[in-house]
Amino acid sequence: DQQVKQNSPSLSVQEGRISILNCDYTNSMFDYFLWYKKYPAEGPTFLISISSIKDKNEDGRFTVFLNKSAKHLSLHIVPSQPGDSAVYFCAAAPSGTYKYIFGTGTRLKVLA
Amino acid sequence: DGGITQSPKYLFRKEGQNVTLSCEQNLNHDAMYWYRQDPGQGLRLIYYSQIVNDFQKGDIAEGYSVSREKKESFPLTVTSAQKNPTAFYLCASSTEGGTGELFFGEGSRLTVL
Repeated sequence: DQQVKQNSPSLSVQEGRISILNCDYTNSMFDYFLWYKKYPAEGPTFLISISSIKDKNEDGRFTVFLNKSAKHLSLHIVPSQPGDSAVYFCAAAPSGTYKYIFGTGTRLKVLA
Repeated sequence: DGGITQSPKYLFRKEGQNVTLSCEQNLNHDAMYWYRQDPGQGLRLIYYSQIVNDFQKGDIAEGYSVSREKKESFPLTVTSAQKNPTAFYLCASSTEGGTGELFFGEGSRLTVL
């Protein structure tokens, strides 16, 4: 039973346009969410997080939106750059626990 | 520079052999984790440790063992009981469980011949 789902395995976007990556979760106890970027054969790097007390968090070109009623979060990258091409993972955990659960990832390709 | 160091980066093992992957952190983090990545399956939690001398099974602990004798170190042993050990293994650490980001190492790729 996959508690964190990224239903789009891949996404292609033109440079300069917006990239929207989606993530759905099923466990209503999750209240802390993170996004990571990963290149092949490297460890993931942290991008941005959001707790359930917020519905939006911004950091530069990256914005995460959280819709608790729909159990859905999304990562917006504006404007997209070729260097953003990577696999993006969302992760979730109930606050105060240590079991971060990851989605299966979405491979983003930004076309120059 | 603070960070997480995993070694070796690449490792080959014959079937039936145990192998230990090293993970060291100098971030002074209490919590440490081991994840496994397989193509199309994301990252799956093997074991995690909240404090020294304590660790908990994750979702796929069978065939693996860990120890946490020092705050800085969390080695993972892949035993011969692990049926499909070929994978990319990632170690991570965090300050507080559930409210802090995970910091990852560069990973170790294990191939069973």
